[in-house]
Amino acid sequence: ILNVEQSPQSLHVQEGDSTNFTCSFPSSNFYALHWYRWETAKSPEALFVMTLNGDEKKKGRISATLNTKEGYSYLYIKGSQPEDSATYLCAFTNYGGSQGNLIFGKGTKLSVKP
Amino acid sequence: NAGVTQTPKFQVLKTGQSMTLQCAQDMNHEYMSWYRQDPGMGLRLIHYSVGAGITDQGEVPNGYNVSRSTTEDFPLRLLSAAPSQTSVYFCASSAGGSYEKLFFGSGTQLSVL
Repeated sequence: ILNVEQSPQSLHVQEGDSTNFTCSFPSSNFYALHWYRWETAKSPEALFVMTLNGDEKKKGRISATLNTKEGYSYLYIKGSQPEDSATYLCAFTNYGGSQGNLIFGKGTKLSVKP
Repeated sequence: NAGVTQTPKFQVLKTGQSMTLQCAQDMNHEYMSWYRQDPGMGLRLIHYSVGAGITDQGEVPNGYNVSRSTTEDFPLRLLSAAPSQTSVYFCASSAGGSYEKLFFGSGTQLSVL
């Protein structure tokens, strides 16, 4: 059974702090790694899809890196703002999985205090 | 632009009742899927479809049926609801391929008493 681990489970930071969290996944047969942002009472929204070892993606103050050889991805938020408060999900898929099937981690819940 | 439309938003059922959760997308996406979200768990795949007329089981398919008669619609049927099916359900679609991002519906909060 493939497993995706996210750490920490939750995180509380002050406005202006920079923060990062980790997604660990099986390193064999890697195909793609997704990051989603999920605000309370809304539905998850895609941040990044990463496919190549060494990939780095950036969207505003949020960026992500990917290491497929060791099986991890980092999500960074620079200068956290209260509106960044959300649960951040990562999801992994491998060649062996059916098309488009993602295995989700349990998420990291970020709370940013003003 | 509607994206993925999911209904209803809330539903309460009694054990043994049946119901259908509706999902429609207007992006001409080939791939559609249903997930459930339970406390302390990641999103878990129930069923998915890679195109009209094609469906397959995900990680937790028991107690659910799906069909895909059109590209746009992918309903999820609970045949005989059980308390273990109390959950939040999300429909999602993508253009297909694991490198394509998922677009999620707004979710259905289902309680089975």
